[in-house]
Amino acid sequence: EIVLTQSPATLSFSPGERATLSCRAGQSVSIYVTWYQQKPGQAPRLLIYDASNRATGIPARFSGSGSGTDFTLTISSLEPEDFAVYYCQQRSNWPLTFGGGTRVEIK
Amino acid sequence: EVQLLGSGGGLVQPGGSLRLSCAASGLTFSNYAMSWVRQAPGKGLEWVSAISGSGGRTDYADSVKGRFTISRDNSKNTLYLQMNSLRAEDTAVYYCANQKDSSGTFDNWGQGTLVTVSS
Repeated sequence: EIVLTQSPATLSFSPGERATLSCRAGQSVSIYVTWYQQKPGQAPRLLIYDASNRATGIPARFSGSGSGTDFTLTISSLEPEDFAVYYCQQRSNWPLTFGGGTRVEIK
Repeated sequence: EVQLLGSGGGLVQPGGSLRLSCAASGLTFSNYAMSWVRQAPGKGLEWVSAISGSGGRTDYADSVKGRFTISRDNSKNTLYLQMNSLRAEDTAVYYCANQKDSSGTFDNWGQGTLVTVSS
């Protein structure tokens, strides 16, 4: 099973700041990393797939990069609605696995 | 617009059974692999099970293998999860999700249904 590590567990920012979130895989997953956003009481929402492809309807302030074992989700300028928990997930190998999540909170 | 409506959750005693359903609309259901993903209270996401579009292939997390069975009825656009021998650690919100291009990327998610295993 491929372990995904997201650290730190919580990041604090002010609106308008740039946020960079990290996801590290225990072994190479090529480009097959997906990012999801989850707000309290809601289902996750697909943001980025295959490391760098924005899903339909996702604002351009969200971008993803990386390959192999190290991946990054960047939010260029945080909007109030972006404060949420973000999960990475790999689809390189079964079983599909998720990282533990990073909470982006308001400073 | 794709809609996935999960149902069937509730309170069940340890060792009991429950069957979850997920009714899909807004997509050609048989074209998509589907999965169940769960989230224990206050915890992260865990993939549980997947099924191909035709229903011919299924996969399970080790934590549920031999206890849970995923199935689908393409004539009814509905996904199922039969859960037997339930344990306290199965307590979670269970989400159904369709897999983008039948890959392992979860494109659309249901609203979730809560399963509580407790005596």
